[in-house]
Amino acid sequence: QVQLLQSGGEVKKPGASVKVPCKTSGYTFTSYGITWVRQAPGQGLEWLGWISPYDGNTKSSEKVQGRLTMTTDTSSTTVYMELGSLTSADTAVYFCAKVGVPGTILGRGYYMDVWGKGTTVTVSS
Amino acid sequence: DIVMTQSPLSLPVTPGEPASISCRSSQSLLHNNGYNYIDWYLQKPGQSPQLLINLGSHRASGVPDRFRGSGSGTDYTLKINRVEAEDVGVYYCMQTLEAPYSFGQGTKLEIK
Repeated sequence: QVQLLQSGGEVKKPGASVKVPCKTSGYTFTSYGITWVRQAPGQGLEWLGWISPYDGNTKSSEKVQGRLTMTTDTSSTTVYMELGSLTSADTAVYFCAKVGVPGTILGRGYYMDVWGKGTTVTVSS
Repeated sequence: DIVMTQSPLSLPVTPGEPASISCRSSQSLLHNNGYNYIDWYLQKPGQSPQLLINLGSHRASGVPDRFRGSGSGTDYTLKINRVEAEDVGVYYCMQTLEAPYSFGQGTKLEIK
């Protein structure tokens, strides 16, 4: 079955970067995009960005644009989200989620049908 | 950017009773192809979000038929026919009409 495996957690200092992996399995990796969503403690969901594993095409929120880098490794069917220049406001659970429709350009209707369990990123001095 | 506004933010419900959550978007989510680009997710306590409804009214695989999505334009509703204990959690609407996609603030459903 489709699975998205995420690591437990990371602790980083302000100004550092964090790279969060999302190991996928159970489907054709290059056919479906991956979305990244985060949730600060006690808060709601925030859409961060999307990547197409087929060609590396990405789209990200203006809020994190410039600090967010999404990449893929087809050989290991893993997607990575790297966020730089961390501040305490970046403390959150970071979820990866598989998009339910195939496509290589972020279009309309890209709902998320399978989610990882999330990686907790704590930014603290 | 499209802003999604949910109400109420807290919803206590007696088991067996219906529940309704509203979501309003800052611009129409109805495309000229006839689809409404809004999805609904439920995040149960301690879990990742799960898809309930996509394209306004299409239930995801395995979602009970007591969940119903409706609406058009800028006003949408998620209705639960008869609330069960397993329905507790936070419900989010999300627009997928245009990037950046955006979520509502969430509605916390609890059992009375």
